[in-house]
Amino acid sequence: GESVGLHLPTLSVQEGDNSIINCAYSNSASDYFIWYKQESGKGPQFIIDIRSNMDKRQGQRVTVLLNKTVKHLSLQIAATQPGDSAVYFCAETSTSGTYKYIFGTGTRLKVLA
Amino acid sequence: GAGVSQSPRYKVTKRGQDVALRCDPISGHVSLYWYRQALGQGPEFLTYFNYEAQQDKSGLPNDRFSAERPEGSISTLTIQRTEQRDSAMYRCASSLEQNNQPQHFGDGTRLSIL
Repeated sequence: GESVGLHLPTLSVQEGDNSIINCAYSNSASDYFIWYKQESGKGPQFIIDIRSNMDKRQGQRVTVLLNKTVKHLSLQIAATQPGDSAVYFCAETSTSGTYKYIFGTGTRLKVLA
Repeated sequence: GAGVSQSPRYKVTKRGQDVALRCDPISGHVSLYWYRQALGQGPEFLTYFNYEAQQDKSGLPNDRFSAERPEGSISTLTIQRTEQRDSAMYRCASSLEQNNQPQHFGDGTRLSIL
């Protein structure tokens, strides 16, 4: 399959450790934020979302934090597993517009055994 | 099917030919989006449909690109007189409705223009 993220920032973590992936967004009008996981040869897979009226949201093993003051998002993955290895993208959109997503640069997560 | 389906998976064609890329969204999803993704980058928006209405085509690079969704379900992205710079991964996404619902992506069509 095609390789995603040939020259992306890379985060290497030990299996079992927690991972934190960061994202800076650009548009102050954005009010809906989404994290995606993309494995080689696949399309982006939805992980978790958060609206601007929240600053934290938890899912299964994942937590998203939103800091609107500095326009920053983070994705925390607890007890990182080998299957978490992928490229992670954040996306932003304004719900008063057409909901087109603007994607961040992406971060490659490598889980070390 | 359970997810967004795109066909063909791979398309190789000669410069100057027209190509049509197909997207079958998740059943019941009202909104459909087309994106283009270069290697090492996130998807970039091309166009968006709500039901059969094309509501935003601001991301289409030029007038060789067009899209339709005549019955509010399957969509076709057409590129006329293809050029080498059109080579990319084209992705389709759908969402249940426009408001506050995540978009779900297909596995894309890899287009290569020779």
